[in-house]
Amino acid sequence: KQEVTQIPAALSVPEGENLVLNCSFTDSAIYNLQWFRQDPGKGLTSLLLIQSSQREQTSGRLNASLDKSSGRSTLYIAASQPGDSATYLCAVMSTDKLIFGTGTRLQVFP
Amino acid sequence: DAGVIQSPRHEVTEMGQEVTLRCKPISGHNSLFWYRQTMMRGLELLIYFNNNVPIDDSGMPEDRFSAKMPNASFSTLKIQPSEPRDSAVYFCASRAGGSLHFGNGTRLTVT
Repeated sequence: KQEVTQIPAALSVPEGENLVLNCSFTDSAIYNLQWFRQDPGKGLTSLLLIQSSQREQTSGRLNASLDKSSGRSTLYIAASQPGDSATYLCAVMSTDKLIFGTGTRLQVFP
Repeated sequence: DAGVIQSPRHEVTEMGQEVTLRCKPISGHNSLFWYRQTMMRGLELLIYFNNNVPIDDSGMPEDRFSAKMPNASFSTLKIQPSEPRDSAVYFCASRAGGSLHFGNGTRLTVT
């Protein structure tokens, strides 16, 4: 059974810092991995999608990497801003089901 | 593109009542997913459909939960009878082979 873990559970950093969020999964047989952002009281917004054959994806200040063999992904946020404050979730697609981690709650203070 | 539309946004009901949550997926998306989110368990997949057909309902917690997708543009999740432990945010999401798109959720409170 696929299990997805995210570390740390919460993170508080000053504006301008570069930071890394971690995601690990137990079964390396995945189709893809997605990173989402969730703001309080809102749904999830897809940030990056990495196919199983890819190593990384970039969008603006965000970079996500995937190491399928070790069951790990990282989300790198460059030059963090207060507007980046949210919960970040990773999810892996296994046998057509998207399994979510428990998320990292990020707060960026001015 | 209006995105995935869920209704109602909030639902407060008494224990024992029937609750129906509604979802309109993005036009052209052939997969639809129902998730439940709680503080204790995070996001749990309840059921998903491909081309209106239920594929995997192993996440549905009990027989009190049922889901239907009568056509490509509409799905319902029904809880009957509802219990306080069903209180959560219920999300619907749709996909067309790529990334998953979520609605804003229905916050259900059962008293």
